[in-house]
Amino acid sequence: GIQVEQSPPDLILQEGANSTLRCNFSDSVNNLQWFHQNPWGQLINLFYIPSGTKQNGRLSATTVATERYSLLYISSSQTTDSGVYFCAVDVDNFNKFYFGSGTKLNVKP
Amino acid sequence: KAGVTQTPRYLIKTRGQQVTLSCSPISGHRSVSWYQQTPGQGLQFLFEYFSETQRNKGNFPGRFSGRQFSNSRSEMNVSTLELGDSALYLCASSLAGGYQPQHFGDGTRLSIL
Repeated sequence: GIQVEQSPPDLILQEGANSTLRCNFSDSVNNLQWFHQNPWGQLINLFYIPSGTKQNGRLSATTVATERYSLLYISSSQTTDSGVYFCAVDVDNFNKFYFGSGTKLNVKP
Repeated sequence: KAGVTQTPRYLIKTRGQQVTLSCSPISGHRSVSWYQQTPGQGLQFLFEYFSETQRNKGNFPGRFSGRQFSNSRSEMNVSTLELGDSALYLCASSLAGGYQPQHFGDGTRLSIL
């Protein structure tokens, strides 16, 4: 199956700092999504972004499908941003998503 | 609009038993997928249903099975439970398959004693 690699695996930030999370994938994809899993285990959809750039408040994401990577930007981080960020890709459009191992973010006050 | 609802939230079973987990998708969503999350293996795809048909299956043994009803609600069943089946089981729903964002429920945390 397709390989999905996320970096960095762990990230510690001071509140107010900016960060960039990366997702590399080994094959062409039809669907790419970013999720945030909060400390209670809830998995929240942040972006559906198979290509291009999207922004939602302090978060934005860019996917360069031809180069097989996606980036998630977090600006002015807040303690509530803490948790694990996952990238997930689907290659055949039947909602079979392959997840990366995640980036664990800890934002300190 | 109600989100994806999974029941029960927590479950404790012993080895050899079987378990059934339930997932009610967002109204209007016809695709339901199931995932297993463990600290060692991360998030792994179990299977996906669309209009009561299983369209995709992950690499799990036959002890893991599922079904979808005509109202799009889905159940997954695990028979002959093993200690390694302890995990968070997550269900996701989306509109007609493909090119749609997925929305996850809060999960069922299954512990095997």
